[in-house]
Amino acid sequence: EAQVTQNPRYLITVTGKKLTVTCSQNMNHEYMSWYRQDPGLGLRQIYYSMNVEVTDKGDVPEGYKVSRKEKRNFPLILESPSPNQTSLYFCASSLEGGAHEQYFGPGTRLTVT
Amino acid sequence: DAKTTQPPSMDCAEGRAANLPCNHSTISGNEYVYWYRQIHSQGPQYIIHGLKNNETNEMASLIITEDRKSSTLILPHATLRDTAVYYCIVRVYSGYALNFGKGTSLLVTP
Repeated sequence: EAQVTQNPRYLITVTGKKLTVTCSQNMNHEYMSWYRQDPGLGLRQIYYSMNVEVTDKGDVPEGYKVSRKEKRNFPLILESPSPNQTSLYFCASSLEGGAHEQYFGPGTRLTVT
Repeated sequence: DAKTTQPPSMDCAEGRAANLPCNHSTISGNEYVYWYRQIHSQGPQYIIHGLKNNETNEMASLIITEDRKSSTLILPHATLRDTAVYYCIVRVYSGYALNFGKGTSLLVTP
């Protein structure tokens, strides 16, 4: 089944404790991205990747890192999480950057205390 | 990307057609109209897209006015599972980020 998976689905952590949210797709997509969703602000793009070893900032990249060492994986790294990074995170992928259809993962709900 | 305007909420009776409007008066010639939906807090789901012509797929129909300044997403026979937030997005094909606005919260009632 074609899908985007994220782990963990739920995470509660404390300020400053490094964490990684994994994202994997099995569709051989070139383009992958991360969004965060906050009440009243909608979905905002954090980082995106056009292909392996090619990443770029989205609208709200501060406090996040990403890497794209393999085509299927695009982990989101929070080196020193803060409470303002409490949010619902979605990973998405598409065949290419401009492809009409983007596939979204199920989401990761992160709480930073 | 052009800005879109959608009503914040709509109701629809189960089995009836749900018609969701979207205004995009500043759309440019190379921008597509996309519709996604998000059921509760799940990941957004692609529904349909169009440029000039009306489009139909297994999920919905998209009607775009001749001047392209507005469009309507039609769910022909709404079910309770269609209750979701529906997002109208305008984007150049070669663009990358999807700019989700506030969308329309559709409630399908029995």
